[in-house]
Amino acid sequence: AQTVTQSQPEMSVQEAETVTLSCTYDTSESDYYLFWYKQPPSRQMILVIRQEAYKQQNATENRFSVNFQKAAKSFSLKISDSQLGDAAMYFCAYRSPYTGANSKLTFGKGITLSVRP
Amino acid sequence: DAGVTQSPTHLIKTRGQHVTLRCSPISGHKSVSWYQQVLGQGPQFIFQYYEKEERGRGNFPDRFSARQFPNYSSELNVNALLLGDSALYLCASSLGTGFYEQYFGPGTRLTVT
Repeated sequence: AQTVTQSQPEMSVQEAETVTLSCTYDTSESDYYLFWYKQPPSRQMILVIRQEAYKQQNATENRFSVNFQKAAKSFSLKISDSQLGDAAMYFCAYRSPYTGANSKLTFGKGITLSVRP
Repeated sequence: DAGVTQSPTHLIKTRGQHVTLRCSPISGHKSVSWYQQVLGQGPQFIFQYYEKEERGRGNFPDRFSARQFPNYSSELNVNALLLGDSALYLCASSLGTGFYEQYFGPGTRLTVT
């Protein structure tokens, strides 16, 4: 079974600064997908960025980028130019590329990010 | 276009009661997945339905059941509620199974007293 570990329960960043959120995972599969989701106090889970394991290039979405280290099974999220609206809980998630139960998302415990003005 | 909608937003039940949660997927989406998110934890997969058939089930007791209707909306039912069932229940819809983006609804907050 796949597991996702987020060992930092909380992090804080100054507005306009850069912060990196860590995530490690364990799997025996060679192909899979990794995601970072944002959950603000409104509870709506929002996809921030995704990475296909077969792609060596790290994904980037505006101020959000990942550092994907497949051999180390590490998938960190970097937020540049942090904004007050980035304050939320962030979840790292894993997904197999197959159908049925294996297409479920496996989430880490999440990390609470606060942004200081 | 409307996103995933869930009802009710919040409800309070007593131990031993039954509850039904509802989810309407994005128009055109045929798959619905349910997740349970206990306070302070990440969501846990409960069920996935596609074309009205169960396609996956997580490690939850038989007290949890679900179904999907011809219009692709879905219900999650929980019988004999326990205090530990208190959680945020999230519904996510996607075009199909396999690798399709999952879009989440705002969730239903269930409190069991």
